[in-house]
Amino acid sequence: EIVLTQSPGTLSLSPGERATLSCRASQSISNYLAWYQQKRGQAPRLLIYGASSRATGIPDRFSGSGTGTDFTLTISRLEPEDSAVYSCLQYHSSQRTFGQGTKVEIK
Amino acid sequence: EVQLVESGGGLVQPGGSLRLSCAASGFTFSSFEMNWVRQAPGKGLEWISYISRSGSTISYADSVKGRFTISRDNAKNSLYLQMNSLGAEDTAVYYCARATVAFDYWGQGTLVTVSS
Repeated sequence: EIVLTQSPGTLSLSPGERATLSCRASQSISNYLAWYQQKRGQAPRLLIYGASSRATGIPDRFSGSGTGTDFTLTISRLEPEDSAVYSCLQYHSSQRTFGQGTKVEIK
Repeated sequence: EVQLVESGGGLVQPGGSLRLSCAASGFTFSSFEMNWVRQAPGKGLEWISYISRSGSTISYADSVKGRFTISRDNAKNSLYLQMNSLGAEDTAVYYCARATVAFDYWGQGTLVTVSS
């Protein structure tokens, strides 16, 4: 099983600041990585797929990078509605796995 | 508009069984791979099962292998999850998710509570 480790566990930032979230895979997954945003009581929403491609309708302040084992989700200018849990998903292996999530709090 | 609507959740006793359904609309269901993902209260997302477009290829997470069975009926635009030998650790919101590049559309989930 491919293990995804996300860091930090919680990120507390002010509006307008830059958020950098990390997702590290236990083995190479090429670019088969996606990022999701989940707000309380809601289903996850796809933000990024293929490590760096934005999903339809996602603002360009969200960007993804990385390949192999190290990946980053960057939110360039935080807005209050970005408060959520962000999770990564690997779909390289037939047994998909998620990271444990990073909570982003807006001060 | 793509819609996925889960149903069949509820309260079940330990050792019991439950069958979840996911009704799909707004797209050609038979053209897409599908998955089940769950989320225990206050916890992260856990992928549990995958099924190919025709149903010929299936995979499971180790945590549910041998207890859960995924299936689909393309004529009814529906995805199913038969869950047997349920334990407290299976308490979660269960989501169905369409797969194209990653999981692009999700239902709103159905809550399964395993308790006596």
